[in-house]
Amino acid sequence: EAGVAQSPRYKIIEKRQSVAFWCNPISGHATLYWYQQILGQGPKLLIQFQNNGVVDDSQLPKDRFSAERLKGVDSTLKIQPAKLEDSAVYLCASSAGLRDRGEKLFFGSGTQLSVL
Amino acid sequence: GQQLNQSPQSMFIQEGEDVSMNCTSSSIFNTWLWYKQDPGEGPVLLIALYKAGELTSNGRLTAQFGITRKDSFLNISASIPSDVGIYFCAGNTGANSKLTFGKGITLSVRP
Repeated sequence: EAGVAQSPRYKIIEKRQSVAFWCNPISGHATLYWYQQILGQGPKLLIQFQNNGVVDDSQLPKDRFSAERLKGVDSTLKIQPAKLEDSAVYLCASSAGLRDRGEKLFFGSGTQLSVL
Repeated sequence: GQQLNQSPQSMFIQEGEDVSMNCTSSSIFNTWLWYKQDPGEGPVLLIALYKAGELTSNGRLTAQFGITRKDSFLNISASIPSDVGIYFCAGNTGANSKLTFGKGITLSVRP
């Protein structure tokens, strides 16, 4: 079974530029998550989708971050404009259902973003 | 919001030794999870705990859900070099609540 796919693996941009990350979850997984992991910290949830609807985006900085999952499969996360503090690893994860408690969460390898 | 405390930030042990990691919170959690993250990869689930007092093993790993529901520990026995990585505890307060992660402990194993 293929895992969660993310691209690109690395991205270096200058502040105020825009960047987009792509995620393809495990086939059949209804729930998709975007996490931000700053160096030395644990992952922090940015947004959670159930199919193509947003379940939780309370920690998403909506003035600069946006995410979509139009067809309920793959998803993109965008930052516009980027700030220095956005430097982090952006992890995508998926799970089969909404009501599991995290034990069936599968993570991708992440995109490492450096903002200069 | 809920916070999970993991300390120390780094641990250094000799191959073959046992190591124990603790995770505490000021809030009650209904589920405790332990993940391992290798460099350049996403976290991978090691053990999931669902009930206070529960003790669960996965090979050389053993984890327990604290009686007060405010802590959990992970024990690794007879460590080997591939145990190197960052160990995160995580938990949530209900079936629909978001998962909260600790800051992680970086484990180094000297051969």
